[in-house]
Amino acid sequence: GAGVSQSPSNKVTEKGKDVELRCDPISGHTALYWYRQSLGQGLEFLIYFQGNSAPDKSGLPSDRFSAERTGGSVSTLTIQRTQQEDSAVYLCASSLIAGGRTDTQYFGPGTRLTVL
Amino acid sequence: AQKITQTQPGMFVQEKEAVTLDCTYDTSDQSYGLFWYKQPSSGEMIFLIYQGSYDEQNATEGRYSLNFQKARKSANLVISASQLGDSAMYFCAMSLPGGNKLVFGAGTILRVKS
Repeated sequence: GAGVSQSPSNKVTEKGKDVELRCDPISGHTALYWYRQSLGQGLEFLIYFQGNSAPDKSGLPSDRFSAERTGGSVSTLTIQRTQQEDSAVYLCASSLIAGGRTDTQYFGPGTRLTVL
Repeated sequence: AQKITQTQPGMFVQEKEAVTLDCTYDTSDQSYGLFWYKQPSSGEMIFLIYQGSYDEQNATEGRYSLNFQKARKSANLVISASQLGDSAMYFCAMSLPGGNKLVFGAGTILRVKS
């Protein structure tokens, strides 16, 4: 079946502009995660959605970052008033059931964001 | 706080030989999962192998095996019969009860030499 898809694959924007990044999880996966990977670094958790529960926003670095998930499927990560330090690859992952010991997250190809 | 440590920034291995990538973790939780992901230069994160904290047997998936030593809090990845296509960044990660996020290590770059 289809994997996690993300769009756009690349985004170049000017400092101060808003950007929206989209994630389409694997069909049937109830949990969706956003991570950020800065150049040469490991992944940093941003936000997590599970079903109809309130999202876990504990990883969002500032109030310029927000995310929503509509209809329990597609998610959009929005960054307002982008800064140069927001430049990174933004990765989305989904998993079948959050909380199970064998819950494995499958990642999309990422969106490379460059803020000039 | 939970933490994953990968002490090897880079590793070289000769084609067809085995290589071990180190991972240690720190958590006070009793229930957790350990994962290894591969990230080729193309950027996608590819799931390789999983080990649960209560699993008594070491996980294996084809040429990948996980050397799980719970008392030492280590979860080393062993790749047997290395191939040129194994050249990539490898990340160790840990999930916590509730499975709501992964904590990642800094990664190890593996280069397979022909």
